[in-house]
Amino acid sequence: DAGVTQSPTHLIKTRGQQVTLRCSPKSGHDTVSWYQQALGQGPQFIFQYYEEEERQRGNFPDRFSGHQFPNYSSELNVNALLLGDSALYLCASSRANEQFFGPGTRLTVL
Amino acid sequence: GIQVEQSPPDLILQEGANSTLRCNFSDSVNNLQWFHQNPWGQLINLFYIPSGTKQNGRLSATTVATERYSLLYISSSQTTDSGVYFCAAPRRGGTSYGKLTFGQGTILTVHP
Repeated sequence: DAGVTQSPTHLIKTRGQQVTLRCSPKSGHDTVSWYQQALGQGPQFIFQYYEEEERQRGNFPDRFSGHQFPNYSSELNVNALLLGDSALYLCASSRANEQFFGPGTRLTVL
Repeated sequence: GIQVEQSPPDLILQEGANSTLRCNFSDSVNNLQWFHQNPWGQLINLFYIPSGTKQNGRLSATTVATERYSLLYISSSQTTDSGVYFCAAPRRGGTSYGKLTFGQGTILTVHP
């Protein structure tokens, strides 16, 4: 049973560019949440997708957007990248309450 | 929103020692999770424990929901236990369902 997978593993972008991160949930899970983890901090909730709609959103600007596909996989898009967007981006999937995390995508913005 | 505080922020142990990590939360919760983050960033599920006590090998956890805290016990620590331990909880009810709020973590270092 494959766990949560994310791609790519690492990514380097320059300020002003756009990036798309991808997540495939654990088998049987229908809810995907995205988190941003800055160095030395705990993960911060970005948003959650369920039934292809954004169900909840954290305190992140509109530059952060997402999508969920019919197979429950999800994308996180970040436009107009800033240096401060450099972080580990984590995807979590769930069906009920317990969330399971993928290995993350480490984004570096130069 | 809910506040989650962990203590201690750092913990250094000799191999074989026991330890207790604490997680306090500011509001009632309908679940609580403990994670271990390895050096590569992967968050590994340790416990899903809204209330009561669970054990898994050398690790155990207790959540007292009415008093808004949870404890993670590590016995006979090993060097592979090193890493950052997070607790996380969503707020009960409202629109916060499923949104996990994380503590700042406890950095555990186990020396041989």
